[in-house]
Amino acid sequence: DTAVSQTPKYLVTQMGNDKSIKCEQNLGHDTMYWYKQDSKKFLKIMFSYNNKELIINETVPNRFSPKSPDKAHLNLHINSLELGDSAVYFCASSQGGEQFFGPGTRLTVL
Amino acid sequence: QKEVEQNSGPLSVPEGAIASLNCTYSDRGSQSFFWYRQYSGKSPELIMSIYSNGDKEDGRFTAQLNKASQYVSLLIRDSQPSDSATYLCAVNPYTGGFKTIFGAGTRLFVKA
Repeated sequence: DTAVSQTPKYLVTQMGNDKSIKCEQNLGHDTMYWYKQDSKKFLKIMFSYNNKELIINETVPNRFSPKSPDKAHLNLHINSLELGDSAVYFCASSQGGEQFFGPGTRLTVL
Repeated sequence: QKEVEQNSGPLSVPEGAIASLNCTYSDRGSQSFFWYRQYSGKSPELIMSIYSNGDKEDGRFTAQLNKASQYVSLLIRDSQPSDSATYLCAVNPYTGGFKTIFGAGTRLFVKA
């Protein structure tokens, strides 16, 4: 019954590595998002996709590349991980503004 | 200038009291407004949305919107310890738009 799911829940990796986070929603929503929540708990939008099309790219380094193979999935690939990428990454979906969040992926870069 | 501002708190209220959380936003043309609750280590969860001036009530929660003054507030009546969480105010420039801007959140503690 999970509405928005993400994998993995935890990700610990070394600087310079490449990693991916997957997101799936079964709500039938058209719009999906990636957010980054840093240690100060500030939730900042990174990307927004509507019907598989990129709508918002909030000055995120190009090391971050989202991919939406279909409306229900939005994945995030990160190249050359840096210490500052350590954060919790949330996927969300919406239909009309109200957003539903996944459980989050806690990324730790060592 | 921050686009959505909230007092970071913590706001501490005794059990049974009314908790009042406030938020101001900078884009005068904003159309839709949301309150999310986030427990420690969990994801944000939508608790209220409001689109027009005035009050909107849902159980113990009341959202209040004043577009002229550019503020939105959340009242929690009969506060319970289980209400202890961070409350995020979120604003969308357009109804159904794709970009929602979140405030930094207000931490609420309800003392038993």
